[in-house]
Amino acid sequence: DAGVIQSPRHEVTEMGQEVTLRCKPISGHDYLFWYRQTMMRGLELLIYFNNNVPIDDSGMPEDRFSAKMPNASFSTLKIQPSEPRDSAVYFCASSLALTGDLNTEAFFGQGTRLTVV
Amino acid sequence: AQSVTQPDIHITVSEGASLELRCNYSYGATPYLFWYVQSPGQGLQLLLKYFSGDTLVQGIKGFEAEFKRSQSSFNLRKPSVHWSDAAEYFCAVESGTASKLTFGTGTRLQVTL
Repeated sequence: DAGVIQSPRHEVTEMGQEVTLRCKPISGHDYLFWYRQTMMRGLELLIYFNNNVPIDDSGMPEDRFSAKMPNASFSTLKIQPSEPRDSAVYFCASSLALTGDLNTEAFFGQGTRLTVV
Repeated sequence: AQSVTQPDIHITVSEGASLELRCNYSYGATPYLFWYVQSPGQGLQLLLKYFSGDTLVQGIKGFEAEFKRSQSSFNLRKPSVHWSDAAEYFCAVESGTASKLTFGTGTRLQVTL
């Protein structure tokens, strides 16, 4: 498997524009996570899905952020409208099962570096 | 709510020297603890994890970590650092729900030759 695939790797956009980040999880993984990494706040969990259903979106900063998972192999994180303070690296991760299973872990993609100017 | 503290923002060691990165956690129940490494421009790679049992956990790349409940710590160690170990290291605790991780702020490791 190629691992968790995110696109694009880099995105530069103007304030007010819509931004869509994409993620393809590892095939067969039941859980998908979106994290944001900034210098100020470190790594924060934004939202996670189980079997394509959003379970906890309490980390989503505001209504400008939305995430979908239309099928088991694809998820999007959308920011509309984007603001300069949204500039960060956004990571997608997937895992096979609950962490209580010793054989599972969260696998991370390489991230999307977003710059809003 | 759980939290993770990594008190050292930046550490520099010489190649071949030993390494210890500190991690303290706050969590009401028995924690699941992790160490991840992030190389520049890359995602996070799991080094090791602790769920239960032996408090000394062995990971990849020669790393190990020791869980000390009395000190609420999960420090990462390596007896001899290699230049390729230069990266940022994150300690994380899992809340008991899926793989929902709470990360520390990270420690950037620099290795001098």
